[in-house]
Amino acid sequence: GQQVMQIPQYQHVQEGEDFTTYCNSSTTLSNIQWYKQRPGGHPVFLIQLVKSGEVKKQKRLTFQFGEAKKNSSLHITATQTTDVGTYFCAGRDYGQNFVFGPGTRLSVLP
Amino acid sequence: DTGVSQDPRHKITKRGQNVTFRCDPISEHNRLYWYRQTLGQGPEFLTYFQNEAQLEKSRLLSDRFSAERPKGSFSTLEIQRTEQGDSAMYLCASSLGAGIYSGNTIYFGEGSWLTVV
Repeated sequence: GQQVMQIPQYQHVQEGEDFTTYCNSSTTLSNIQWYKQRPGGHPVFLIQLVKSGEVKKQKRLTFQFGEAKKNSSLHITATQTTDVGTYFCAGRDYGQNFVFGPGTRLSVLP
Repeated sequence: DTGVSQDPRHKITKRGQNVTFRCDPISEHNRLYWYRQTLGQGPEFLTYFQNEAQLEKSRLLSDRFSAERPKGSFSTLEIQRTEQGDSAMYLCASSLGAGIYSGNTIYFGEGSWLTVV
């Protein structure tokens, strides 16, 4: 079945440093979504990417969908303590359901 | 609050007992999902409804698990004869879908924590 992997598992950065997490799928995806989950909270939708090679920006966050639609990345510029949490990608093949990756846990040291 | 609501938020039960969780999705959403999440892991898909029809069920879902959405609105997830391995957060989510490629945003509830002792 479809598998979604993320690296790194953990990332500790100093406030102001950049952060990137990578997501890879074992199958070609129709679309991919990114979520953020704060400690003790529930996943909150960030963005959806649909087109091959698509790049979307949300303030300090940049999301990219690979040309082959099998990988994606999330880059945060100049991290802040409010960025702390676990970032999940969730990929959908041509079925109905999203398969979540294991997440990248980000901690930001002030 | 017009988000996805789940009840109860926390449940402690003895092994072997049955438990039921309820989910009220966002009112106009026709799709409803159940996921399970354990500490340090991503949400794991359990089952999915479009209106009242249960369209897909994970192979990981044993016969002890059953979900219903009788009127296409709220849903229940029942776990029979609970085991310690069932301890997890059970997340409900909903979305508005217009078709197989619509890929609409999934909105998650706060989750129901289950501890089996």
